[in-house]
Amino acid sequence: ETGVTQTPRHLVMGMTNKKSLKCEQHLGHNAMYWYKQSAKKPLELMFVYNFKEQTENNSVPSRFSPECPNSSHLFLHLHTLQPEDSALYLCASSPTGTYTDTQYFGPGTRLTVL
Amino acid sequence: AQTVTQSQPEMSVQEAETVTLSCTYDTSENNYYLFWYKQPPSRQMILVIRQEAYKQQNATENRFSVNFQKAAKSFSLKISDSQLGDTAMYFCAFMKHEEYGNKLVFGAGTILRVKS
Repeated sequence: ETGVTQTPRHLVMGMTNKKSLKCEQHLGHNAMYWYKQSAKKPLELMFVYNFKEQTENNSVPSRFSPECPNSSHLFLHLHTLQPEDSALYLCASSPTGTYTDTQYFGPGTRLTVL
Repeated sequence: AQTVTQSQPEMSVQEAETVTLSCTYDTSENNYYLFWYKQPPSRQMILVIRQEAYKQQNATENRFSVNFQKAAKSFSLKISDSQLGDTAMYFCAFMKHEEYGNKLVFGAGTILRVKS
């Protein structure tokens, strides 16, 4: 285990549903990240939070809405998703948010949009 | 633009043998960090090894070592004495330096199967 947990591990939702993914890190880190992993594509960075402030939004559609209430918790709120949004969503954290960091990943949430 | 290329989509190796996974990257930066991550079928992405570009010495972690060739922008991973538990997808990643936050750029991955 890496000290980063994600819930739920699996999620199936319709295009009109609203759901949220949760990530929690127990490492005392100050930066947290959301990644999308689609089949046969490299991991794509979605959002970066550093000391609870969003510092990166990698051109992600507004149907994905992140929230970082504190340095230990990160949420990804989902609404009106499309079938192409089906993927593995990975959360990661790192100590300081600088480029010298190593990122530690959670187990991911497998999302299926019907 | 920074890119990371893993030219081997799949590889197989016999248990106890050695295998090398290839990775090349493109950057105009002089100081950066490179990583190999392992993602077993259980999906948890685990750090295997990390290399700092300003260090000429190749990083080593037990059975895992890298061959870092900065001029060639090559960063291969060698796994010695392969074990069944090494079966996984392996990702090479480059840390992009930005003023705020940091960005890991990943390659497409190499599926490694260790056979008994």
